[in-house]
Amino acid sequence: GENVEQHPSTLSVQEGDSAVIKCTYSDSASNYFPWYKQELGKRPQLIIDIRSNVGEKKDQRIAVTLNKTAKHFSLHITETQPEDSAVYFCAASASGGYQKVTFGTGTKLQVIP
Amino acid sequence: DAGVTQSPTHLIKTRGQQVTLRCSPISGHKSVSWYQQVLGQGPQFIFQYYEKEERGRGNFPDRFSARQFPNYSSELNVNALLLGDSALYLCASSLADGRQFFGPGTRLTVL
Repeated sequence: GENVEQHPSTLSVQEGDSAVIKCTYSDSASNYFPWYKQELGKRPQLIIDIRSNVGEKKDQRIAVTLNKTAKHFSLHITETQPEDSAVYFCAASASGGYQKVTFGTGTKLQVIP
Repeated sequence: DAGVTQSPTHLIKTRGQQVTLRCSPISGHKSVSWYQQVLGQGPQFIFQYYEKEERGRGNFPDRFSARQFPNYSSELNVNALLLGDSALYLCASSLADGRQFFGPGTRLTVL
């Protein structure tokens, strides 16, 4: 089955700096890669997603890149703000989000004011 | 516009008991997925249902079962509870594009 690895497990950055979280996946059939933000005690919130027919997607300060050959995808947050502090999860699905979505182990991001 | 709702928010059970968790999807969403999230880990896929049919099942024992109703709401049942079943149980609903939106979860504690 699919295996998603996520690094780093914790990340501290100064406010205004950039943050990068990296994930790798094992199933070459995976075609949908969402990213979720989970604040303490709250539900995971979909922040951006990318499908395998696209190499990069950007939404304001957040961008995701996908390298299908290397089975890597990454989340980039620019101009970080304290409210970006949360746990971020990457995920992968071989069915476009249907049937099964496999999550990474999470990255705890701390933005220091 | 209401999001995904789940009930109850918290639940305390003892080992060996049975529990039923409920989920109502976003209006118009026909697919519901269930996940288990243990503290400090990512959500683990349990089931996905679409139009009342099971579309996917994760690596969970047969003590876990689910169903989806004609109004697309769903129930997750867990029998013979173990201490290790203590977790946050999340429900997510999605449209045809597969993007999943999570509910607030049910915190289950097994004593």
